[in-house]
Amino acid sequence: NAGVMQNPRHLVRRRGQEARLRCSPMKGHSHVYWYRQLPEEGLKFMVYLQKENIIDESGMPKERFSAEFPKEGPSILRIQQVVRGDSAAYFCASSPLESGANVLTFGAGSRLTVL
Amino acid sequence: AQTVTQSQPEMSVQEAETVTLSCTYDTSESDYYLFWYKQPPSRQMILVIRQEAYKQQNATENRFSVNFQKAAKSFSLKISDSQLGDAAMYFCAYSRETSGSRLTFGEGTQLTVNP
Repeated sequence: NAGVMQNPRHLVRRRGQEARLRCSPMKGHSHVYWYRQLPEEGLKFMVYLQKENIIDESGMPKERFSAEFPKEGPSILRIQQVVRGDSAAYFCASSPLESGANVLTFGAGSRLTVL
Repeated sequence: AQTVTQSQPEMSVQEAETVTLSCTYDTSESDYYLFWYKQPPSRQMILVIRQEAYKQQNATENRFSVNFQKAAKSFSLKISDSQLGDAAMYFCAYSRETSGSRLTFGEGTQLTVNP
């Protein structure tokens, strides 16, 4: 059981470019969450997805950010026209069920640096 | 909206001693879950301990235990016999029963363990 796999671990982009972050949940997990951690801060919820459905995107900026979790393949967090303020660590987590009782398993994170 | 507050940005403890990290939260829910996560320099988020709000008994995991005071909305973490490997950022987190495991995190407490 490989755990939650995120790639790339480190990504450098220039302002205006696009960033794509990928997350493969643990085997058997169909719920995926994305969190953002700005420097010196805690993690902030961005979006919660199930296969082919966005359940809650209340934490995601309305512009430039999008997420998907297709029927096949990893979940993708996409940031268009990146700005310096997007520099952060982006964590993906997965769980097998919807209940808040479930413990999330986190990936190792993807660190985005915008030059 | 739920909030989680960690009032200690930094704490230090001598190896083999005991340290307590504080966390308070605000919610109008009666059923919820509380967590402590550890983030070492590798940045991997690791679950330390979990508490169900409906349980009066405080959770314990080896050297880690919590003091859960529901009426006071307080959830502190006690680390006994501190080890050098305990040095990390510690995050308190809250999840509603019906929130699909969406976590609200505090800002974190950086724990230093002195040899």
